[in-house]
Amino acid sequence: DAGVIQSPRHEVTEMGQEVTLRCKPISGHNSLFWYRQTMMRGLELLIYFNNNVPIDDSGMPEDRFSAKMPNASFSTLKIQPSEPRDSAVYFCASSPGRDRRGNTDTQYFGPGTRLTVL
Amino acid sequence: QKEVEQNSGPLSVPEGAIASLNCTYSDRGSQSFFWYRQYSGKSPELIMFIYSNGDKEDGRFTAQLNKASQYVSLLIRDSQPSDSATYLCAVNILGAAGNKLTFGGGTRVLVKP
Repeated sequence: DAGVIQSPRHEVTEMGQEVTLRCKPISGHNSLFWYRQTMMRGLELLIYFNNNVPIDDSGMPEDRFSAKMPNASFSTLKIQPSEPRDSAVYFCASSPGRDRRGNTDTQYFGPGTRLTVL
Repeated sequence: QKEVEQNSGPLSVPEGAIASLNCTYSDRGSQSFFWYRQYSGKSPELIMFIYSNGDKEDGRFTAQLNKASQYVSLLIRDSQPSDSATYLCAVNILGAAGNKLTFGGGTRVLVKP
């Protein structure tokens, strides 16, 4: 089984440029999450989707960030314009949702995209 | 107060000893608790989940949950150098729509040969 796939794995760009990160969740999973990880702030949830619908985007830092999930097998996180403080590792994770008892189910992480904004 | 708190460490443990990691959470209604391991430069990977009070064992790992005291812990028995990593505690926060998890800052564990 293929896990969560993210691309690119590394991205170096200059301030002001548009950056698009891509994610393919595990087939059959209903929920998709975008996280950002830095040394200072740890792992932060940016936004998540249930059945392709954005549920909670309260973690999106500002309007420069946007995320879409046009179908069950693809999502993008876009930063426009990018700034040096956006430099971080961005993880995508997917989850089946809830188990049969209604418990929150496990999230499976992709390998991450390391973004450097110069 | 952070919603999920962990001691950042590093927790230094001799090889073969037991590593004990603790996590406290603020939302008394939380139902689902997870421990993830993250090696440097890698993504978090699930070690265990626990939903009910008490202990849950899986190999060398034991998760302990005490909802009354709002803490969850992870024990690593017979620690190996390969267990050196950052361990993240994750909790679902009641009231959040869907199945959102909040992660603690992680505890770095160093197992010395």
